Order: sequence, then C-alpha cells, then structure tokens
Amino acid sequence: AQKITQTQPGMFVQEKEAVTLDCTYDTSDPSYGLFWYKQPSSGEMIFLIYQGSYDQQNATEGRYSLNFQKARKSANLVISASQLGDSAMYFCAMRGTNAGGTSYGKLTFGQGTILTVHP
Amino acid sequence: GEEVAQTPKHLVRGEGQKAKLYCAPIKGHSYVFWYQQVLKNEFKFLISFQNENVFDETGMPKERFSAKCLPNSPCSLEIQATKLEDSAVYFCASSQSPGNTEAFFGQGTRLTVV
Repeated sequence: AQKITQTQPGMFVQEKEAVTLDCTYDTSDPSYGLFWYKQPSSGEMIFLIYQGSYDQQNATEGRYSLNFQKARKSANLVISASQLGDSAMYFCAMRGTNAGGTSYGKLTFGQGTILTVHP
Repeated sequence: GEEVAQTPKHLVRGEGQKAKLYCAPIKGHSYVFWYQQVLKNEFKFLISFQNENVFDETGMPKERFSAKCLPNSPCSLEIQATKLEDSAVYFCASSQSPGNTEAFFGQGTRLTVV
C-alpha cells in the first residue's frame, strides 16, 4: 500500500520569495515515481515535476525543484521567486511498481496544500 | 488530439438518475485512468484501461459504477442510480505507458447529484 502525506493544509508566501511545500510518502514498492501537480481555482490538473526513486539528481523544471530525500521518504516541492499566479492547490502524488518492475499506473495523491501568494 | 477531452464539463442529475461521463485520451496514449475528486482535495483512483482492456479496477465501487473503453470511441464512466455522495469532479488522465513520467489530465467533469 502507498500513502502520501501533505501536512500543510495552507501556506502563505510573499511574492518573489521561495516556498517549500512538504510531502512525505510511505511505500514498500521496489521503485516508484513522485509527482507534483498544481490545481488552480479553475480546476484543471497541471503537471509540474517528476522524480524517479532511482534518479541520482533532484528534479528541476524552471522555478520548480523537488527536494528528494529518499532515506527520509520526503519529496518536497520548492517554488522559487513566487508569483501571484502560483496561488493554487498543490498535490503530491506517487506511482509505484510491483516486484516484477511493472508500474501500477495509478497515482496515489496526498490531501493537497493550498498556497496563497501575497503581493 | 493533443489533449485529454472530457465531456460534459458539468452534469446535474437527480438522485436515482443515471450519469454518463466521457473521455477521449490523447491520440497514441494506450492507458486511461479515471479518478474521483471529492471536496476539492481527496483524489480517489477508480479504474484504468490499457486500450479496451481493464488494467486495474481495484478502486471501482462494485455497485452502480461501470466503465468502458471501446475502439474508436471515447471512454465512458457510467453511474447508475446516482446518490448524493457521488457528487464530485471526475477526472480522466491518459499516458503512453503505465510507468510514464507524466499523466495528462483532462479538465474534469463536475457531477452534481441533487
């Protein structure tokens, strides 16, 4: 079984500052992938960043980076230079594999963190 | 198409009525996933398909819910005899493989049962 925990129901950040959104996970799968999605108030799900459990480097995509600490089972999202348009709900999610290495395909989501960026 | 297309965007049904939601995956994507989002945060996996075959149905309620992906047709999710608790946003996602580094989501269908 997989579990994703996002302990911050809401976060506030000043425009242009950096913010870290926490995500911890629990799994016994031999390999897995970690995802972050953004859901603005309009409702669509926007893929932000992916980290594979065997990736040596932390993933980065523009202003988004993933602080992956495998031993601590954490995959925190760091948003640098926050913008007003970053205000949204953010979801951490995981996809695992079975013992044979086949991906389950489905994503397990955390509860989400609402980020509010203040001008 | 280049995006996952879900229809309708909004659906209102009286309790006990049937609801049918549609999803056209991105062209070339063999895998389709359905999720239910309740109360703007809790995501629940329902079912996935590899082409027209069920890949994983472990999240699918045994009663009232059914889904299909037929060749040359949008995939569908059908809820028989809807209940108030079925009110949610239903998302469809597609990917080329189950282990892809990204799953592309549709815009969702908001189902309101009154």
